[in-house]
Amino acid sequence: AQSVAQPEDQVNVAEGNPLTVKCTYSVSGNPYLFWYVQYPNRGLQFLLKYITGDNLVKGSYGFEAEFNKSQTSFHLKKPSALVSDSALYFCAVRDPTDTGRRALTFGSGTRLQVQP
Amino acid sequence: DAGVTQSPTHLIKTRGQQVTLRCSPKSGHDTVSWYQQALGQGPQFIFQYYEEEERQRGNFPDRFSGHQFPNYSSELNVNALLLGDSALYLCASSLVRGRTSGGYEQYFGPGTRLTVT
Repeated sequence: AQSVAQPEDQVNVAEGNPLTVKCTYSVSGNPYLFWYVQYPNRGLQFLLKYITGDNLVKGSYGFEAEFNKSQTSFHLKKPSALVSDSALYFCAVRDPTDTGRRALTFGSGTRLQVQP
Repeated sequence: DAGVTQSPTHLIKTRGQQVTLRCSPKSGHDTVSWYQQALGQGPQFIFQYYEEEERQRGNFPDRFSGHQFPNYSSELNVNALLLGDSALYLCASSLVRGRTSGGYEQYFGPGTRLTVT
């Protein structure tokens, strides 16, 4: 069974500093990995995905994520945090070897707080 | 280009009642998935509809049922509501036809907040 772990419930960072939100996964094959962001009272907004190829994936709003197969991680990063980045971030995985599975499996989420 | 829309925004029901939630997918999308997001948790997959059929189902009882219409819109029905059904229900759409891999993203609607009292 596939699973995702987000080990930090909350990450605090000062505006202008780099940020990292951690994600590790468990699947039986090479994963499809996704990051979503959720603002209060809103649905999830797609940020970026890793399918294959370059391990560094660039996405929306200056975010990027690094796929590390040996560490089974897919950490979300941004070089310079903005106060407006404060939100709830979810990592998700889809296992491509299970042809019947189309669902995304989400982590429990990490709340990012960026202080001015 | 309209994104994923859901109705209603909020809903309050009593235990034992039935509820229907509605979703219209993003223009051009043919697949709708439903997720339940309890407070403080990540979304949990309920089921996915493609070509008007339920294609995959998560670990939810059969009190949860759905439907997809020819215009790709979808409904989620929950019978015999329990207090534990209180959650944000998210609809996500995607374009699956013609794809040979699962490397597609899903686009989410704003959700319906269901409160069961």
